[in-house]
Amino acid sequence: GENVEQHPSTLSVQEGDSAVIKCTYSDSASNYFPWYKQELGKRPQLIIDIRSNVGEKKDQRIAVTLNKTAKHFSLHITETQPEDSAVYFCAASPLYGSSNTGKLIFGQGTTLQVKP
Amino acid sequence: EAQVTQNPRYLITVTGKKLTVTCSQNMNHEYMSWYRQDPGLGLRQIYYSMNVEVTDKGDVPEGYKVSRKEKRNFPLILESPSPNQTSLYFCASSFPPESPLHFGNGTRLTVT
Repeated sequence: GENVEQHPSTLSVQEGDSAVIKCTYSDSASNYFPWYKQELGKRPQLIIDIRSNVGEKKDQRIAVTLNKTAKHFSLHITETQPEDSAVYFCAASPLYGSSNTGKLIFGQGTTLQVKP
Repeated sequence: EAQVTQNPRYLITVTGKKLTVTCSQNMNHEYMSWYRQDPGLGLRQIYYSMNVEVTDKGDVPEGYKVSRKEKRNFPLILESPSPNQTSLYFCASSFPPESPLHFGNGTRLTVT
């Protein structure tokens, strides 16, 4: 079945450094790739998303890149700050025909720790 | 305020005792879904609904039921809970499906 692999499972960086989290997906029909951030004890919240007709998207210190040929996408956080510490989840949503199916496959999550 | 409301927040029950976790959204979203979150496994989709009376299985539907009789409500039903259903559950909604999910606050379920 469909699968999303996320790496690394934990990531520790110094404040100000960059952090990169990578995901690969199995279903070539996937066309929507969101990233969610979950702070301790809270609900996941969307931080950025990308669709398959775009190769890169940026929002201030956060960027996502997508390589459809290789079926992988990555989250890049620059100039990390302690408040970036959280669990990050990637996800992929397959498209069949002209409509999204409603299925959403999440990666296993990456715990990011930013040390002051 | 736009929100997804889940109840209860915490629930401790025993094996085999039927329970329902409620989920309600006030954003008129057509798409709603349920996830369970377990350490090391991320978020796994249980069921989703594209509209009233339209539901479909996600990745881990075994042991769960859902219904969508009204657009705003999407309850999750465990007919005979077992300890392996101990988890953190999230309800979410959006429209269209490929747009940011609005998550509820979560329900932490313990089955003994």
